[in-house]
Amino acid sequence: EAGVVQSPRYKIIEKKQPVAFWCNPISGHNTLYWYRQNLGQGPELLIRYENEEAVDDSQLPKDRFSAERLKGVDSTLKIQPAELGDSAVYLCASSSQGHEQYFGPGTRLTVT
Amino acid sequence: DAKTTQPTSMDCAEGRAANLPCNHSTISGNEYVYWYRQIHSQGPQYIIHGLKNNETNEMASLIITEDRKSSTLILPHATLRDTAVYYCIERNFGNEKLTFGTGTRLTIIP
Repeated sequence: EAGVVQSPRYKIIEKKQPVAFWCNPISGHNTLYWYRQNLGQGPELLIRYENEEAVDDSQLPKDRFSAERLKGVDSTLKIQPAELGDSAVYLCASSSQGHEQYFGPGTRLTVT
Repeated sequence: DAKTTQPTSMDCAEGRAANLPCNHSTISGNEYVYWYRQIHSQGPQYIIHGLKNNETNEMASLIITEDRKSSTLILPHATLRDTAVYYCIERNFGNEKLTFGTGTRLTIIP
């Protein structure tokens, strides 16, 4: 069974540029999560989707971050414009009906 | 904020049992204890979870004290591949949210 797929694995951009991350969850998983992990810290939830509906986006900085999960399958997280402080690893996870979350390998973003 | 307390780091000799403690003194009756680990440059990986009783699976054992205020994750025969950051998390079943702390960095020594 394929795991959670994320791309790209690494991204380097200059500040003020836009960037997008893509996630394909495990087949059949209705819940999808985006986390941000700063260096030396644990992951922090940005947004959670149940199918195509964002049910918890309280930690998403909405002035520059946006996310979508069209058709309730794969998802895209966007930052526009990026700031230096956005440098982090962005993790996607999925789960099925309250069971454990499966994480992808993450996208390491460096903003210069 | 994470409600669990874990040591920042631990070492364990290869082949020995690794015992990782976690304090969750404010855990409520409907909260489970979950353990995840994160190997360098990978996403977190689910290990085990429990409510009251001790649990065992192919990866580890989870020992929860009777008052549920603390628990210990046991890796019975640690290998070099078990070097990772281990996170202990309280989770209200039915609430999808995981709140990670900073975890314990476990280093397996050859």
